[in-house]
Amino acid sequence: DAGITQSPRHKVTETGTPVTLRCHQTENHRYMYWYRQDPGHGLRLIHYSYGVKDTDKGEVSDGYSVSRSKTEDFLLTLESATSSQTSVYFCAIRGGVDSPLHFGNGTRLTVT
Amino acid sequence: AQKITQTQPGMFVQEKEAVTLDCTYDTSDQSYGLFWYKQPSSGEMIFLIYQGSYDEQNATEGRYSLNFQKARKSANLVISASQLGDSAMYFCAMREGRFGNEKLTFGTGTRLTIIP
Repeated sequence: DAGITQSPRHKVTETGTPVTLRCHQTENHRYMYWYRQDPGHGLRLIHYSYGVKDTDKGEVSDGYSVSRSKTEDFLLTLESATSSQTSVYFCAIRGGVDSPLHFGNGTRLTVT
Repeated sequence: AQKITQTQPGMFVQEKEAVTLDCTYDTSDQSYGLFWYKQPSSGEMIFLIYQGSYDEQNATEGRYSLNFQKARKSANLVISASQLGDSAMYFCAMREGRFGNEKLTFGTGTRLTIIP
């Protein structure tokens, strides 16, 4: 299995609080991604990174920010969590152009 | 417009039969890639098969094959001799974008149930 660790695995938080999800890889891969998965929507891209300090927005980036200060870590921050951000969040990494995404085990976030 | 369309929300298939999961895509890029993933009820995402836009042969991986019809912009997954363990959600995804800044877009998935 690709070396990807997401933390925490589960989190319950209140509306309006900041939340940071962490993705850590040991593969030294260039590309890292954050997706959210919701019923009926499949996986939707939030943000992605193609190198240290190089990030870009995906299709559902509003309300989220990311940082990548080291190759191995990609952080996703919800500045002020809302109930609509209740979801399962997946981090993924990719080594090259034709390489597949390898996913972490996901973080289940509940915003009450 | 949807980048990836999976028109079958759910399918029921008898064990040992072959099954085709549909996927159509929309892109103006000349170079792109298509992926299929399996998500069992345990939740992990498992990579199954990949097809590059310039590949002339259809990709195959064991019981999985990808029926790539470029002119129709379709990339259907074919599972031969289905097994109970094939019951899962299946997602089609497309890689596009310029080198160094690619992103992958997923379809909404098809839930496949294999009936004994």
